[in-house]
Parts: sequence; C-alpha cells; structure tokens
Amino acid sequence: KQEVTQIPAALSVPEGENLVLNCSFTDSAIYNLQWFRQDPGKGLTSLLLIQSSQREQTSGRLNASLDKSSGRSTLYIAASQPGDSATYLCAALGGGSNYKLTFGKGTLLTVNP
Amino acid sequence: EAGVAQSPRYKIIEKRQSVAFWCNPISGHATLYWYQQILGQGPKLLIQFQNNGVVDDSQLPKDRFSAERLKGVDSTLKIQPAKLEDSAVYLCASSQGQGGRHGEKLFFGSGTQLSVL
Repeated sequence: KQEVTQIPAALSVPEGENLVLNCSFTDSAIYNLQWFRQDPGKGLTSLLLIQSSQREQTSGRLNASLDKSSGRSTLYIAASQPGDSATYLCAALGGGSNYKLTFGKGTLLTVNP
Repeated sequence: EAGVAQSPRYKIIEKRQSVAFWCNPISGHATLYWYQQILGQGPKLLIQFQNNGVVDDSQLPKDRFSAERLKGVDSTLKIQPAKLEDSAVYLCASSQGQGGRHGEKLFFGSGTQLSVL
C-alpha cells in the first residue's frame, strides 16, 4: 500500500526567501508525481506533474524534482511571496492497473511580508 | 473553460440523517472522482468513475455511502445514515483521460464542507 509523507508539516518564511518542500513515497512503482496547492476553503489546483520517466518540471518560480528510485520529490519555490501562502500537497499515481492517486497530508506554508 | 462545479458549499446535519452532494465535471472529461478530505489530512479517494462505469470504489463505505454518475456526466454522492466521523470536505475532481496514467491533470471543485453534529 502506497504511503506518502510530507515534511515539514508547516513552514513559515519571510518574503523573498527560497524554500524547499519535501515529499517521500514508499512504493516507487508510480506513473507520476503531482504537486497541488490548496487555499483555505478551496479545492486543489494542480501545479506540476512529473512523469515517472522525467527528473523535473518547472513552471515560473516553481521547480519540482523526482527521484523515483529513492522515493522522493521536492518542490522548490524561488523568491517566495505572501501570495504563495497555502497548503501544498504531493500525490503519487500508483502503477500497474491501479491508477490510484495517493496524497500526503500537505505542508502549510506561510510567507510573511 | 468552466471548472468543476459542486453543490452545496456547506451542509450541517445531525447524525443518522441523510445528505447528498452534486458534481458537474468539466465538459468532455471522461473520468470523475470523489475524494474525502478530513481536516489535517490529504484527500482520500472514495470512488472513481470512467464515463458512467465504476473503476474503483474499494475505499467507499458501501454500507452508508453510494454514488452514481448517470449518463456519464453529472454525479451525486449520498451518505445515509451519516456518522460523526463523516465530517469532512467532499471534493469532486475530473480528468480528460483514463485515470491520469498518461499524465492528465486532475481538476478539482471547491468541495462541500459537511459537518455532522
């Protein structure tokens, strides 16, 4: 059974700082790894999706990397802004015939002005 | 492009009552998902439809939860009777392809926040 863990559970940084969010998964047989953002009272917004054959994906100030063999992914946010404050969740899409997306509990990020 | 629509946004009921949630996915999306998100947890898949067929309902408490997707478009999720531990946000999501295996992104609705008293 796939288990996804995110560290830290919460992070508070001053505006302008670069930061890294960590995600680990126990079963390396995945199709892809996705990072989502969730604002309070809202649904999830897909940020980046890394296929199992890829090493990283970039979108603006966001960069996500994937090391499938070690079961790890990181989300790097450059030059953080108060508007980046949200909960960030990673999710692993299971391999084989089980296309089940397993989520971590998320990291609550607060960027202070 | 319209997003995934869910209603109601909030619902408060007493235990043992019944409740239903509605979801309208993005037009043309074949796959529809219902997730349960308990406070402080990541979303947990309850049921996945492809068109109007069930792909995965292994984590759906079938003694009290039911879901249907008539005509492969809209979907409803029902809880009867509700328990205190059902208090959560119920999220609906849709994707264009078959469960995301080829990298299709999931698009989520804003969710229905259920409080069972």
